[in-house]
Amino acid sequence: RKEVEQDPGPFNVPEGATVAFNCTYSNSASQSFFWYRQDCRKEPKLLMSVYSSGNEDGRFTAQLNRASQYISLLIRDSKLSDSATYLCVVDGNTGKLIFGQGTTLQVKP
Amino acid sequence: GAVVSQHPSWVICKSGTSVKIECRSLDFQATTMFWYRQFPKQSLMLMATSNEGSKATYEQGVEKDKFLINHASLTLSTLTVTSAHPEDSSFYICSARDPEGTYNEQFFGPGTRLTVL
Repeated sequence: RKEVEQDPGPFNVPEGATVAFNCTYSNSASQSFFWYRQDCRKEPKLLMSVYSSGNEDGRFTAQLNRASQYISLLIRDSKLSDSATYLCVVDGNTGKLIFGQGTTLQVKP
Repeated sequence: GAVVSQHPSWVICKSGTSVKIECRSLDFQATTMFWYRQFPKQSLMLMATSNEGSKATYEQGVEKDKFLINHASLTLSTLTVTSAHPEDSSFYICSARDPEGTYNEQFFGPGTRLTVL
């Protein structure tokens, strides 16, 4: 079983749609959780950290369920510029980050 | 936010040559830097953790004699791919942790695309 699992997609959605991505992780001792965004042939950039209470940043909402070892990202009112690969990232102890394969989103006009 | 630079951004070399990639933290001092590799349509895979003033810690399956890492200062880590072969062609990305920042948050360099002919 992979340490961090994501559905690779692609998710093809129209502009304005709401889309949700899910991620599961295997290490119950993980303490830090992130969503990164990676554009084609570019480095990953931090989208948001994920907190136990859930957190929201504009159109983006992240949720963490420790009991189920499950993380989600919700994007509302999708924009063309949201097209990218979204990486679920979990700390793997000793400060290392473990990356999921990524979920590709394509927002179409 | 913290800025990490990488140089070169891309390199094409012949098989058998060595390639050095530099990773710099521009506005903070990074005691720890990380080196990742990403093959097309795959996730980032951690290769090694680079600690200033000490030897790097390599992940299982990564050859330390092939991928030489030096972290001589708090703002610079280098990765040298020795005797590169076509299978080493990949996207190499470094990251650094800002000790003043959020626990475990890493800032990534723009990556180096290596093509070995």
